[in-house]
Amino acid sequence: SQTIHQWPATLVQPVGSPLSLECTVEGTSNPNLYWYRQAAGRGLQLLFYSVGIGQISSEVPQNLSASRPQDRQFILSSKKLLLSDSGFYLCAWSAGGRTEAFFGQGTRLTVV
Amino acid sequence: GENVEQHPSTLSVQEGDSAVIKCTYSDSASNYFPWYKQELGKRPQLIIDIRSNVGEKKDQRIAVTLNKTAKHFSLHITETQPEDSAVYFCALLTDSSYKLIFGSGTRLLVRP
Repeated sequence: SQTIHQWPATLVQPVGSPLSLECTVEGTSNPNLYWYRQAAGRGLQLLFYSVGIGQISSEVPQNLSASRPQDRQFILSSKKLLLSDSGFYLCAWSAGGRTEAFFGQGTRLTVV
Repeated sequence: GENVEQHPSTLSVQEGDSAVIKCTYSDSASNYFPWYKQELGKRPQLIIDIRSNVGEKKDQRIAVTLNKTAKHFSLHITETQPEDSAVYFCALLTDSSYKLIFGSGTRLLVRP
């Protein structure tokens, strides 16, 4: 069966520090991968999505970037965090087409 | 581009009553319309979805209707129970982009 792993679950980082969140999927190949951010009590904002290795589409430029070095690995990065980067970050995968997306457990990031 | 608006932002109903959440969209190429439920502190999970070639789909107490001409789709929950209390998100996807975008969410409270 397919599983999605996202870590860490919680993270507290100082302003100006770098960020690296990792997401991996098991049990499937060539998944569509997504990064979302959810501010407290708010909706799911699509940050990046990828339909294949090295193929990244950006929805929110800001100071975040994403990479897909392997088929089932999706990484969200920042060189210098801002206070406004705080939020709940969710990774998700789907098999493509009109199919269900499955979410990771999420990472609660607090920038202090 | 793709955009989806969700209403209401909050909804309070008495246990046993029905709840309806509506989403409207702008991109006529959208062809997949899932609904997700997110309990406090947890990841969103799919509860029902509908594809563009279907006007209505039902699963026990949950139903979704789609009006492609008017570009709106709705979630209907009948005989609500306290455990239905959560945040509900509509979403949509177009085959051409694989971009899965979400509405702003509806916080449903079912009063015992």
